[in-house]
Amino acid sequence: AQSVTQLDSHVSVSEGTPVLLRCNYSSSYSPSLFWYVQHPNKGLQLLLKYTSAATLVKGINGFEAEFKKSETSFHLTKPSAHMSDAAEYFCVVSDRFAGYNKLIFGAGTRLAVHP
Amino acid sequence: EPEVTQTPSHQVTQMGQEVILRCVPISNHLYFYWYRQILGQKVEFLVSFYNNEISEKSEIFDDQFSVERPDGSNFTLKIRSTKLEDSAMYFCASTGESDYGYTFGSGTRLTVV
Repeated sequence: AQSVTQLDSHVSVSEGTPVLLRCNYSSSYSPSLFWYVQHPNKGLQLLLKYTSAATLVKGINGFEAEFKKSETSFHLTKPSAHMSDAAEYFCVVSDRFAGYNKLIFGAGTRLAVHP
Repeated sequence: EPEVTQTPSHQVTQMGQEVILRCVPISNHLYFYWYRQILGQKVEFLVSFYNNEISEKSEIFDDQFSVERPDGSNFTLKIRSTKLEDSAMYFCASTGESDYGYTFGSGTRLTVV
């Protein structure tokens, strides 16, 4: 069965410093992996996705993530945090099966960005 | 950019009442989903729908829940007799034939009182 573990429930950084949000996954098949962001009282927005192509994936707003099969990790990074990055971030795994895919969400990491 | 539209954004209902949450998926998408997020908890899968039938449902999706695509554009989630524990944010999503990522709607916050 697939599962996702987000290693930090809260991360706090200063504006302009790097962001690292950690995610480990478990999957029986070749997984698809995603990061979604949820700003307060908003919906879920796709940041980036890995689908067995390049292991370093670039997303929106300067975020990127690297798929490391040997470590079963898919950590999200950004070189320089912006105040607008403050939000909840979800690491998500999916096994594509029967033509559709069910997403399994991690518990989320709340990112705070301080001036 | 195409969007998934959910209405209403907020719904307050009394315990025991029926509610219908509405979604308009992206027009050329084929797979439709409902997820929910109880306050402070994980986003959870409820149900997937393809070719006018349920593809998979979670243990949460009991007989009180049903889904329908009545007219080829709307996709609805009905809760027949709401309970306090149904209070959550409900997200609709859709995806195309070869997509690997969902497009989510902005959610309906359901409050059962």
